[in-house]
Amino acid sequence: SQQGEEDPQALSIQEGENATMNCSYKTSINNLQWYRQNSGRGLVHLILIRSNEREKHSGRLRVTLDTSKKSSSLLITASRAADTASYFCATDDTGGFKTIFGAGTRLFVKA
Amino acid sequence: DAGVIQSPRHEVTEMGQEVTLRCKPISGHNSLFWYRQTMMRGLELLIYFNNNVPIDDSGMPEDRFSAKMPNASFSTLKIQPSEPRDSAVYFCASKGTGGEKLFFGSGTQLSVL
Repeated sequence: SQQGEEDPQALSIQEGENATMNCSYKTSINNLQWYRQNSGRGLVHLILIRSNEREKHSGRLRVTLDTSKKSSSLLITASRAADTASYFCATDDTGGFKTIFGAGTRLFVKA
Repeated sequence: DAGVIQSPRHEVTEMGQEVTLRCKPISGHNSLFWYRQTMMRGLELLIYFNNNVPIDDSGMPEDRFSAKMPNASFSTLKIQPSEPRDSAVYFCASKGTGGEKLFFGSGTQLSVL
């Protein structure tokens, strides 16, 4: 079963704009991760934020985590056409073994 | 490193046939995961292994599904007999000891006619 929900389900923006995706989860977590999937390919890890962190940056990516609301957001700044993909949040349970994925957000960046 | 290797890349079979999907994790990784992806249900965790031992198979949909990991470098997911509703992309992923991020294979696109 899936851990959480993501919104929006789909997002279409112009190149250069920022894209924000949100994720909610249900249970206590060890960490929260974001992955990217290009059409027909496997998922690729983007960034991880631990349960005791509130914000993390990596290049054009910014992730926030609010454990009181059980939610996270992924911001991609200055988007490019090559950012077109599906983005998934994933959570590890407190045991650190089991990684469960959300439903994903499909991002389309128009050139 | 070659990454996680899955085979076959595509599989087309007829209902009732046995299907075997294969996965070679990244060398040195000790956890292996099988996921199934469909439009309707998204990415579902089917089963995961730690040090070749199945830890949680609660996501395996039915007794028709079985998974094995006979050694640290090989795992199989078997469906017998297959049904059209098993059509999906099946992913294998691995992670190392103490590691937190998953490395995914390219997936097997399964079509059961």
